[in-house]
Amino acid sequence: QSALTQPPSASGSPGQSVTISCTGTSSDVGGYNYVSWYQQYPGKAPKLMIYEVYKRPSGVPDRFSGSKSGNTASLTVSGLQAEDEADYYCSSYTGSNNFRYVFGTGTKVTVL
Amino acid sequence: EVQLVQSGAEVKKPGESLKISCKGSEYSFTSYWIGWVRQMPGKGLEWMGIIYPGDSDTTYSPSFQGQVTISVDKSISTAYLQWSSLKASDTAMYYCARPATRYCSGGSCYPNWYFDLWGRGTLVTVSS
Repeated sequence: QSALTQPPSASGSPGQSVTISCTGTSSDVGGYNYVSWYQQYPGKAPKLMIYEVYKRPSGVPDRFSGSKSGNTASLTVSGLQAEDEADYYCSSYTGSNNFRYVFGTGTKVTVL
Repeated sequence: EVQLVQSGAEVKKPGESLKISCKGSEYSFTSYWIGWVRQMPGKGLEWMGIIYPGDSDTTYSPSFQGQVTISVDKSISTAYLQWSSLKASDTAMYYCARPATRYCSGGSCYPNWYFDLWGRGTLVTVSS
């Protein structure tokens, strides 16, 4: 099972929007509405930002939104703030080879 | 406070054994699965495996099957990740993480497919 594919980096100025893609296959992203997104600061544990494609846990700003089309999921951060600078990982349930979870390769978001 | 408390950093030599822990606090430990995630230095997250404390049902990622052992002691609300013979390539941060529970039925609970609670991580360094 290969990791889901994300762009290594993305950037935007404060107030702008940035969108991160997460590409998988029909066995994971495309086959189930179980895509989640995590934010990770250096030296810190990941934090859940989006689950089941578009749902936000309590406390996550509504500047963060998720969507999916076919085998590609996306995370959009609107109204970028300095504190959004972090690594972001997507994840999906996968039904292949008794795998259950697969993570993306990660995207470093830089606020210019 | 609901949390996962992981054991402290470890420095080991190649060939040594190691068992790190993850203690669940302030929640019903046997109602939630516990997963382990590896993050090698400067790299991404990798799912290693998951265990259900209720009956020790365990699933491993094929990448880690046979390389590590995941276990649990539900009497002390603690999950473990262990190695019998460490390699330098095992140097990494290891996180335990709890997926939300999707539902419980017939005495067993089934996980959701996202981790909503994470431990702070245990750094394992393997060096001669």
